[in-house]
Amino acid sequence: NAGVTQTPKFRVLKTGQSMTLLCAQDMNHEYMYWYRQDPGMGLRLIHYSVGEGTTAKGEVPDGYNVSRLKKQNFLLGLESAAPSQTSVYFCASSLLRSQPQHFGDGTRLSIL
Amino acid sequence: GQQLNQSPQSMFIQEGEDVSMNCTSSSIFNTWLWYKQEPGEGPVLLIALYKAGELTSNGRLTAQFGITRKDSFLNISASIPSDVGIYFCAGLNFGNEKLTFGTGTRLTIIP
Repeated sequence: NAGVTQTPKFRVLKTGQSMTLLCAQDMNHEYMYWYRQDPGMGLRLIHYSVGEGTTAKGEVPDGYNVSRLKKQNFLLGLESAAPSQTSVYFCASSLLRSQPQHFGDGTRLSIL
Repeated sequence: GQQLNQSPQSMFIQEGEDVSMNCTSSSIFNTWLWYKQEPGEGPVLLIALYKAGELTSNGRLTAQFGITRKDSFLNISASIPSDVGIYFCAGLNFGNEKLTFGTGTRLTIIP
């Protein structure tokens, strides 16, 4: 009954460091998404995937890369972290296109 | 891109009161979704609406898909303390994987 699981839950980085956020879903969903949530701006789509081996850019993709090597996992990478990337990151998945998305509990990332 | 205007931005109500919030768009959507987010957690789906004019309930929550397909409404009856949180509307179109989110309505219940 896990649904969408994100790791880690919290992380503090220094400017220029790199890291990878992991999202795992156990619902056999085809579609997976990465969002960031900033105060007063709602959720903005970073990248998404319509199936294993595919990725596509969302609304705010700059500074991020993603990979979907396995259907159940969707990784979000920051190659060189910047303070502007301080945010809460949410992963989501959906069974099919145009189906409601189900969200993980988020990763709170601070870049100093 | 599409914009969703959600109002009010925040609400302070007393327990037992009814709540109404709405979401409007500059363009049409085929699906409207309402999510609730509590501190430290991700958004949780409350109600999904798939047809213009549709009225759907989930317990004390009722949501409606506007006839013009450019708006949606969420009502909460007889609010209780656990209703506290941020409520987001989101719009989705057929053949499009991308959800467009509103900026949220923060609900606070005064003891």
